[in-house]
Amino acid sequence: EAGVAQSPRYKIIEKRQSVAFWCNPISGHATLYWYQQILGQGPKLLIQFQNNGVVDDSQLPKDRFSAERLKGVDSTLKIQPAKLEDSAVYLCASSTTGGPTDTQYFGPGTRLTVL
Amino acid sequence: ELKVEQNPLFLSMQEGKNYTIYCNYSTTSDRLYWYRQDPGKSLESLFVLLSNGAVKQEGRLMASLDTKARLSTLHITAAVHDLSATYFCAVDMDYNTDKLIFGTGTRLQVFP
Repeated sequence: EAGVAQSPRYKIIEKRQSVAFWCNPISGHATLYWYQQILGQGPKLLIQFQNNGVVDDSQLPKDRFSAERLKGVDSTLKIQPAKLEDSAVYLCASSTTGGPTDTQYFGPGTRLTVL
Repeated sequence: ELKVEQNPLFLSMQEGKNYTIYCNYSTTSDRLYWYRQDPGKSLESLFVLLSNGAVKQEGRLMASLDTKARLSTLHITAAVHDLSATYFCAVDMDYNTDKLIFGTGTRLQVFP
């Protein structure tokens, strides 16, 4: 079974530029998550989708971050404009239904450096 | 706001020794996860603990959950170098949405 795919793996941009990350979840997984992991910290949930609907985006900085999951499969996370403090690893995860006994499977992440 | 704290943050231990990592959380939850992260890699699920008193074991690792004390432990038996990694606990704070709050992580280094 293929795992969660993410691209690009690395991205370096200057502040105020825009950037987008892509995620393809495990086939058949209805729930998709985007996390931000700052160096030395645990991942922090940014947004959770159930199929193509948003379940939780309470910690997404909506003035600069946006995410979509068209057709309930792939997802993109965008930052516009980027700030220095956005430097982090952005992890995508998926689970079958998002239920209480589900395990979240994580992708390899995209390491973003904002200069 | 739910807080999840792990200790120690850093752990350097000799091969063959035993040690325990602690995970405390601040509000009621009966579901807790342990993940492993190798440097530069993503998170790998180790254990899912779904009720008070749950105990899971895999190889040299054993995890337990005490929901009344709001405490989970990850016990390492006879450590080997391959266990060197960062270990995160994550608490499920919303029964309906499976929203995880991660701890700060414990960086484990096992030396000969």
